[in-house]
Amino acid sequence: ETGVTQSPTHLIKTRGQQVTLRCSSQSGHNTVSWYQQALGQGPQFIFQYYREEENGRGNFPPRFSGLQFPNYSSELNVNALELDDSALYLCASSRLAGGLTDTQYFGPGTRLTVL
Amino acid sequence: AQSVAQPEDQVNVAEGNPLTVKCTYSVSGNPYLFWYVQYPNRGLQFLLKYITGDNLVKGSYGFEAEFNKSQTSFHLKKPSALVSDSALYFCAVRAGSSNTGKLIFGQGTTLQVKP
Repeated sequence: ETGVTQSPTHLIKTRGQQVTLRCSSQSGHNTVSWYQQALGQGPQFIFQYYREEENGRGNFPPRFSGLQFPNYSSELNVNALELDDSALYLCASSRLAGGLTDTQYFGPGTRLTVL
Repeated sequence: AQSVAQPEDQVNVAEGNPLTVKCTYSVSGNPYLFWYVQYPNRGLQFLLKYITGDNLVKGSYGFEAEFNKSQTSFHLKKPSALVSDSALYFCAVRAGSSNTGKLIFGQGTTLQVKP
């Protein structure tokens, strides 16, 4: 098991609501990435945070936003939830050094269901 | 554009037989290649990676992968499969020149090892 933790494990929301997912990174890691994994699909990159700033973003709308805190933990916020946002949300932590991101280690994920 | 293809949705092998899970990729510049495994209702577990050097990479749980630049492939292999290897396997690629951790994942291959 990695040292990456995520909360909550499961979440049910209704369309139009807002949700916040949380991630604690592995000790010694300074970078957090978030991925969305729809059922039967591979994970899709949402964004990465380094030094409390967004450091790369995938093809996701602005209603997906994030934060990174001084202790390197992170939040993913999704506003105006849509049915298609139902997915497993994975957090991955890594170390960025010398301008390059090292191996990413994933948490267990948060299963979000939007009704 | 970067992409990863895993041409087989499912691979079936008998316990004790060798296994291969196929992966081909497309990326600009030098690729960083990864294999992850996902067990039901769990996050992704890192198995191995290729950055540079020897084309044969050894990883966790007896898995290895061979990088083939001319065929743009990075197939996962194991000499003797175990029933406990049954899981969902993902190949991922990142452009070596990228300073973000953005991983592009394949669709995944389900490995079924039968006793």
